[in-house]
Amino acid sequence: GAGVSQSPSNKVTEKGKDVELRCDPISGHTALYWYRQRLGQGLEFLIYFQGNSAPDKSGLPSDRFSAERTGESVSTLTIQRTQQEDSAVYLCASSLSVGGAQPQHFGDGTRLSIL
Amino acid sequence: TQLLEQSPQFLSIQEGENLTVYCNSSSVFSSLQWYRQEPGEGPVLLVTVVTGGEVKKLKRLTFQFGDARKDSSLHITAAQPGDTGLYLCAGAGSNYKLTFGKGTLLTVNP
Repeated sequence: GAGVSQSPSNKVTEKGKDVELRCDPISGHTALYWYRQRLGQGLEFLIYFQGNSAPDKSGLPSDRFSAERTGESVSTLTIQRTQQEDSAVYLCASSLSVGGAQPQHFGDGTRLSIL
Repeated sequence: TQLLEQSPQFLSIQEGENLTVYCNSSSVFSSLQWYRQEPGEGPVLLVTVVTGGEVKKLKRLTFQFGDARKDSSLHITAAQPGDTGLYLCAGAGSNYKLTFGKGTLLTVNP
């Protein structure tokens, strides 16, 4: 497709399990961003990739969170030993290049629920 | 830390009414973007404003960037039910990062 694709769209899992969220950006977009959106809140920046490198990981909430990107394309966000406070919508966005003024194109997110 | 405050947080109006939502900060941004997000979907970019004092129009939507590039407003004329959604502003600083506000949830009743 032409847009950013995220999978799964919904994920329900038990506390303590690991989850892996996937993002397929728009082809040719070198920049990729992960955000977290809690209910009734704005978007919380987690991490961004320039190509396959993540220059700034300071937005990741804890060491249970990690992300990687390969082939300057697909990215996965992994949450280990999930906690209830991890419940949120995880949004991925891509842009042609890195830069605050660059328009970001968002996927529809993965809604993660931790029981 | 750059923060963006959006107001009002919630707004419920009747079809045909006009409205303005605000995005304010104590920080200067190099540019500011407005997004609309509908339930179950990701945000969609509406506009980017770059120059202090800039005004951009998108059909019935008018966006203004403050002269000091610290604030912005979105005015909707003759709102329609299709305008319903969460309106998010996002400011860009000197680096790559966008800082998002918490949004204004607009409901336009038919």
